Amino acid sequence: DAGVTQSPTHLIKTRGQQVTLRCSPKSGHDTVSWYQQALGQGPQFIFQYYEEEERQRGNFPDRFSGHQFPNYSSELNVNALLLGDSALYLCASSLGRDSYEQYFGPGTRLTVT
Amino acid sequence: GDSVTQMEGPVTLSEEAFLTINCTYTATGYPSLFWYVQYPGEGLQLLLKATKADDKGSNKGFEATYRKETTSFHLEKGSVQVSDSAVYFCALRDTGGFKTIFGAGTRLFVKA
Repeated sequence: DAGVTQSPTHLIKTRGQQVTLRCSPKSGHDTVSWYQQALGQGPQFIFQYYEEEERQRGNFPDRFSGHQFPNYSSELNVNALLLGDSALYLCASSLGRDSYEQYFGPGTRLTVT
Repeated sequence: GDSVTQMEGPVTLSEEAFLTINCTYTATGYPSLFWYVQYPGEGLQLLLKATKADDKGSNKGFEATYRKETTSFHLEKGSVQVSDSAVYFCALRDTGGFKTIFGAGTRLFVKA
């Protein structure tokens, strides 16, 4: 049973560029959450998707957007990249709209130069 | 807003020592509380949870008790092993909410 997978593992982008990160949830899970983890910090909630809709959003600007597909996989898009967007981006999946038991992927390390 | 504060690390212990990592929280309502662990090179894993006051979460020899009166959820283990070396995150999820709020993490080093 595959766990949560994310791609790519690492990514280097230039300021002003756009990036798309991908997440495949654990088999059978229908809810995906995205987090940003800066170096030495705890993960910060970006948003959550359930039934292809964004359910809740953290304190992130509109440059951060997402999408969930019918197979429950998800994408995180970040436009107009800033140096401060450099971080580890984590995807977490769970089953059901109210489940608190999240399974995290290994993350995508984004470096903005 | 809701927040989690945990003790700064790193914490360095010898094998078989007693571990306590302090965690306090601020939240409206009645949050669920969690400890997550991040081993080197691996993703975050849920270690234990407690969903209401006075609940004790436990797993792999780790324990934490949900103390509403002190708004705390301290992580303890009676005898740590080298394999427990990792970063530990305290977290909460508020009632009716969907987001999990994490503390900054505490790095634990266990020496043989």
